[in-house]
Amino acid sequence: EAGVAQSPRYKIIEKRQSVAFWCNPISGHATLYWYQQILGQGPKLLIQFQNNGVVDDSQLPKDRFSAERLKGVDSTLKIQPAKLEDSAVYLCASRKMEGLSAQYFGPGTRLTVL
Amino acid sequence: GDSVTQMEGPVTLSEEAFLTINCTYTATGYPSLFWYVQYPGEGLQLLLKATKADDKGSNKGFEATYRKETTSFHLEKGSVQVSDSAVYFCALQGAQKLVFGQGTRLTINP
Repeated sequence: EAGVAQSPRYKIIEKRQSVAFWCNPISGHATLYWYQQILGQGPKLLIQFQNNGVVDDSQLPKDRFSAERLKGVDSTLKIQPAKLEDSAVYLCASRKMEGLSAQYFGPGTRLTVL
Repeated sequence: GDSVTQMEGPVTLSEEAFLTINCTYTATGYPSLFWYVQYPGEGLQLLLKATKADDKGSNKGFEATYRKETTSFHLEKGSVQVSDSAVYFCALQGAQKLVFGQGTRLTINP
């Protein structure tokens, strides 16, 4: 079974530029998550989708971050404009909707904002 | 709200030593508990899980038992290897959200 795919793996931009990250979840996983992991910390949930609807975006900085999951499969996370403090690893995870299943994570995208 | 507390790191051990990384949690209801491992430059990998009290999760020589009475899920391994060097995260899955501890960096010296 293929895992969660993310691209790009690395991105370097200057502050005030925009950037987008892509995630393809495990086939059949209805729930998709985006996390921000700052160096030395645990992941922090940014947004959770169930199919193509948003379940929780309470910690998403909506003035600059946006995310969508069209057709309930792939998802894109965008930052516009980026700030220095957005430098982090952005992790995508997916999970089956039913039962007590675990979340499975992609390799992440390491963003550096200069 | 739900929370997870892990023992502070970093932890440094010699190869073949016994490992314990403590994890305690606070949650409403009956969460599932997980240990994830993050190797350098990689995403999080599920190491093991337990979904109800007294369940023992195990994988790759690691074990953890879901203790409801002490609200704990300590990670153990009898004999660590250099390849076990990584950051370990304890996590709980509540009604919807996965809540992580702060992570414990483990270094194993040959």
